[in-house]
Amino acid sequence: GQNIDQPTEMTATEGAIVQINCTYQTSGFNGLFWYQQHAGEAPTFLSYNVLDGLEEKGRFSSFLSRSKGYSYLLLKELQMKDSASYLCAVRDSNYQLIWGAGTKLIIKP
Amino acid sequence: GAVVSQHPSWVICKSGTSVKIECRSLDFQATTMFWYRQFPKQSLMLMATSNEGSKATYEQGVEKDKFLINHASLTLSTLTVTSAHPEDSSFYICSAGHPGQGSGELFFGEGSRLTVL
Repeated sequence: GQNIDQPTEMTATEGAIVQINCTYQTSGFNGLFWYQQHAGEAPTFLSYNVLDGLEEKGRFSSFLSRSKGYSYLLLKELQMKDSASYLCAVRDSNYQLIWGAGTKLIIKP
Repeated sequence: GAVVSQHPSWVICKSGTSVKIECRSLDFQATTMFWYRQFPKQSLMLMATSNEGSKATYEQGVEKDKFLINHASLTLSTLTVTSAHPEDSSFYICSAGHPGQGSGELFFGEGSRLTVL
């Protein structure tokens, strides 16, 4: 079966750095996405990786290793507004999106 | 960026009634839209794929006669929850991919929170 694993919850301090990991086992691979979802709101797109390596976008970076079935989202200079759930999603060989359960990130002052 | 709009944001209805939720792509044509349901503290669950001009494709376990999807134009898809019951109370979200985005990222509507009394 297809499976995406990410931690259920993480806690970090304002101003610090946090890394949210995602491992996947899917039927084929056509890209990995990270979305941010604030409570009660719809998800918003953060990043897309299809090749191995690091993609940097401001305070957020996303890394992919296809051989390991692994990705992480790195958030730097954490702000209180970064408190949200972070969803990892993989597009399989049928171009279907497989969603992880999400990681709830709690930022403390 | 591409914009997807959903309406209504909140709806409360009585058990047994039907509720229609609209999803519009505001600045692009979407031949395909996706409808998700999300229960509290859970991830997105794909309900169905809405295809313009043809029947929707439903995921396993989703009742097509209960969740009616119509995609009559390239900018509008509707989800109708028929004979709603309290267990249908959930957060319903639509999304679409912009044809010009090479990554195929999804743009989500604001979501519709349905409460069935």
